[in-house]
Amino acid sequence: DQQVKQNSPSLSVQEGRISILNCDYTNSMFDYFLWYKKYPAEGPTFLISISSIKDKNEDGRFTVFLNKSAKHLSLHIVPSQPGDSAVYFCAASGGDRDDKIIFGKGTRLHILP
Amino acid sequence: DAMVIQNPRYQVTQFGKPVTLSCSQTLNHNVMYWYQQKSSQAPKLLFHYYDKDFNNEADTPDNFQSRRPNTSFCFLDIRSPGLGDAAMYLCATSRDLWIGSGSEQYFGPGTRLTVT
Repeated sequence: DQQVKQNSPSLSVQEGRISILNCDYTNSMFDYFLWYKKYPAEGPTFLISISSIKDKNEDGRFTVFLNKSAKHLSLHIVPSQPGDSAVYFCAASGGDRDDKIIFGKGTRLHILP
Repeated sequence: DAMVIQNPRYQVTQFGKPVTLSCSQTLNHNVMYWYQQKSSQAPKLLFHYYDKDFNNEADTPDNFQSRRPNTSFCFLDIRSPGLGDAAMYLCATSRDLWIGSGSEQYFGPGTRLTVT
C-alpha cells in the first residue's frame, strides 16, 4: 500500500512557464516532507523540504506547498528551465527519530524549448 | 568532490552467484542506508546503519546482508541473487537518523545490478 503517491508519471512544461508537481500521502503521522531531484545515471539529490508546521517553503525558483487537511503537497518551479528536466521524488517521514523516509514513485518532468 | 561513491556503477552477476556492492562516503555521516529501486518504482529501504548499529527493515529478504567495517564504508551482500533482485541499488547517508532540516539524505549514483 503506497503511503506516498505521485499519480502523474510524467509532465511536460514549456520553458519559462510554471511546473507543478503533485504528491498525496495517506499517513497522517507524517510530519516532514521532502522533494528530491534525479538526473539519469545519478542518485537523487535533495531539493527542498517542509515541516508540517508550515504550509509553504520557498527556495529561489522552488516552492513547496503543504495542505495537511487534504494530505497533499506540491512543488512549484517558476520559471521552468531546461536543466529542470529530471525525475522528481516526493518523500515523507514521521516525527520519531527512527522513522524512515517513504518515497513516491517519482514524476518525470520534461521542459520543452 | 563526490561525497557518496558507489562501486561498481554497473554489475552483472549470474543467478545464485554471490555479489557485493560497495559504498563509501566522505561526509563523516553517522547513518548509511541501502535502497533498492526497480524500474518506475519508489526507492525501497533495505536497511541502515547508525554508526555500528544495524537496523534491518522487516520485509528485507534474508538474501540481503550488509556490513559496515568503519564510518566511511558500507557493503551490500546479496548471497544468492535471483532474477527478481535485478535493480538499481542506492546508497545514502545522513548526519542523523532524524530526517529534519540539516539532516537530509545524500545519495550516491547507484549500482545497477543485472542478474543473468
